[in-house]
Amino acid sequence: SQQGEEDPQALSIQEGENATMNCSYKTSINNLQWYRQNSGRGLVHLILIRSNEREKHSGRLRVTLDTSKKSSSLLITASRAADTASYFCATGHFSGSARQLTFGSGTQLTVLP
Amino acid sequence: DAGVTQSPTHLIKTRGQQVTLRCSPKSGHDTVSWYQQALGQGPQFIFQYYEEEERQRGNFPDRFSGHQFPNYSSELNVNALLLGDSALYLCASSFGLNEQFFGPGTRLTVL
Repeated sequence: SQQGEEDPQALSIQEGENATMNCSYKTSINNLQWYRQNSGRGLVHLILIRSNEREKHSGRLRVTLDTSKKSSSLLITASRAADTASYFCATGHFSGSARQLTFGSGTQLTVLP
Repeated sequence: DAGVTQSPTHLIKTRGQQVTLRCSPKSGHDTVSWYQQALGQGPQFIFQYYEEEERQRGNFPDRFSGHQFPNYSSELNVNALLLGDSALYLCASSFGLNEQFFGPGTRLTVL
């Protein structure tokens, strides 16, 4: 079963605009990560935010985490056509000596030139 | 530095057959995790291997089994294939409990 749910399921914007995707999850986490996937290919790690952090930046990416609301958001600023992809949030859970990622169902972002 | 590699890229099998998928982790990584991604869905955790042992397992039947070799590479085996096993199978490697890096995946089609 999926832990997180991304919102919206699909997002279409014009090049240069900002894109915001949201993720909600159900159980306590150690960290939350965002991944990108181009058309059924492998996942590319974008950014990791730990449960004791509230905001993190990486280039044009800004991630926030609100553990009280069990939610996170990913903001992509000044979007480009090359940002067109599926974006997934994944919650990290440490269980004993193992670390499992639980993914949401993703947001399909389309950036129109 | 080669990233995570997986083979084969694509595979077509028929119901009831068995399949083996392979994964070579990123250099320096010792932990391999396997995920199944159905079309239009997010990846689902199958299991994780460390020091040649299965460390954690997701909600998958015993038809799904794996192995990790001394060089940290790993195999995923699926027996008695069902139509519902058709998916993209992703391997991810990490050093211990650090960030996971994903391979390009193996697309399995069961007819």
